[in-house]
Amino acid sequence: EAGVAQSPRYKIIEKRQSVAFWCNPISGHATLYWYQQILGQGPKLLIQFQNNGVVDDSQLPKDRFSAERLKGVDSTLKIQPAKLEDSAVYLCASSPNTNEKLFFGSGTQLSVL
Amino acid sequence: AQRVTQPEKLLSVFKGAPVELKCNYSYSGSPELFWYVQYSRQRLQLLLRHISRESIKGFTADLNKGETSFHLKKPFAQEEDSAMYYCALRGFQKLVFGTGTRLLVSP
Repeated sequence: EAGVAQSPRYKIIEKRQSVAFWCNPISGHATLYWYQQILGQGPKLLIQFQNNGVVDDSQLPKDRFSAERLKGVDSTLKIQPAKLEDSAVYLCASSPNTNEKLFFGSGTQLSVL
Repeated sequence: AQRVTQPEKLLSVFKGAPVELKCNYSYSGSPELFWYVQYSRQRLQLLLRHISRESIKGFTADLNKGETSFHLKKPFAQEEDSAMYYCALRGFQKLVFGTGTRLLVSP
């Protein structure tokens, strides 16, 4: 079974620039998650989609972060403008449904200089 | 609110020694607890979940509601167990992770 695909693998930008990450979940998985993992910390949920609707985005900094999941499949996460504290690994995960196990992608490592 | 606490950042043991990775949680409802593992250069993946009551790679974890704990145990550690271990709690349809414990098993 193909896994969760994420791109790019690495990204280096300067503060105040914009960046976008892409995620392709496992085929048929209804639930998609974006997590932020800062060095030395556990993954923190940014946003959770069920098909193309948002289940939870309570920890998404909405003044600079946005995410969408068009047609309930692929998803993009955008940061505009980036801050130094956004340096982290951004993990995408998917699951068949809300209460089932998560399958994670390899992540995108973002460095904001 | 739901919270997961893993008090140890690093646990270092010798091969063959017993291992216990601690996890405590805070949640007002009936929790669903998990252990996820990340081996070097691999993706984060599910190790086990409390409702399955299974043993995976020799690891077990028992949910203790009285102590609000879900510690991960293995009687004899192997070098290939070296990895980052995350305890996670699902509540209100949201999966929340602890800060993780790095397990280092030396020969």
